[in-house]
Amino acid sequence: DAKTTQPPSMDCAEGRAANLPCNHSTISGNEYVYWYRQIHSQGPQYIIHGLKNNETNEMASLIITEDRKSSTLILPHATLRDTAVYYCIVRRSEYGNKLVFGAGTILRVKS
Amino acid sequence: GAVVSQHPSWVICKSGTSVKIECRSLDFQATTMFWYRQFPKQSLMLMATSNEGSKATYEQGVEKDKFLINHASLTLSTLTVTSAHPEDSSFYICSAPTSGGQSSYNEQFFGPGTRLTVL
Repeated sequence: DAKTTQPPSMDCAEGRAANLPCNHSTISGNEYVYWYRQIHSQGPQYIIHGLKNNETNEMASLIITEDRKSSTLILPHATLRDTAVYYCIVRRSEYGNKLVFGAGTILRVKS
Repeated sequence: GAVVSQHPSWVICKSGTSVKIECRSLDFQATTMFWYRQFPKQSLMLMATSNEGSKATYEQGVEKDKFLINHASLTLSTLTVTSAHPEDSSFYICSAPTSGGQSSYNEQFFGPGTRLTVL
C-alpha cells in the first residue's frame, strides 16, 4: 500500500473550516484514500473515503487532486469535539484489506 | 454505522498471568477482524489479522505464541496475551470490515479499545 505524508499537527479556530492535507504521491490506480480519526483513548472512527472524485458526507469533504497524488480533508465548521488525530490511509478496497496507520495529524480546535 | 464492542474496557493483571480480550461485531458478520496495539503518544500498530475458521496472520515481529488469536465465530474474535509482562501494557484495539456488496464500500469499524496494565 502507498505511503502517506501528513503534517504532524495543526491548529484551527472553532467554527472555521479545518483543512487537513495528505500527500500520497505513489498511490496506485486501484487504491482508495481513506480518512479516519481517533479521539483520545478511543478507537478510530471512519470519516470518509474516495477514489478520484471529490466526496462529501455529513462529517466532512474529501478533495482529491486530479493526479491523485494528494488530498485534503475538510471539516467545514470545526468544533472542540473535532480535536483528534486524523489519519490518511491509502489502500485497495477489497474486503479484508488491512489498514496500516501512519503518524497522522494532531488537529487542535481552539475556542 | 456498524458497531464493534470490546470486553473488558480495561484490565489490570499481575505479571505472568494471561489476559483474554474479546472483540464482537454486534450487527454484522465479519470473517476477518484485525488487532492493533497502541502505546502512549504513538500510532496504532497492526498486530495480526484474525480469520474465522483458520489461523491468524501475524505481522512481522509479533510473537504468535504470546498473542493467541481465536476467531471462534463470525461475530467474535479473542486476543489472549499469555504470560503478560509490564512491557505488554498497552491499548489494544480491534476492528472489523463491513462488506456492502460493492468493492468500494469497505469501511472498517473499530472497537473502543481495551486498556491493559500489567503490574
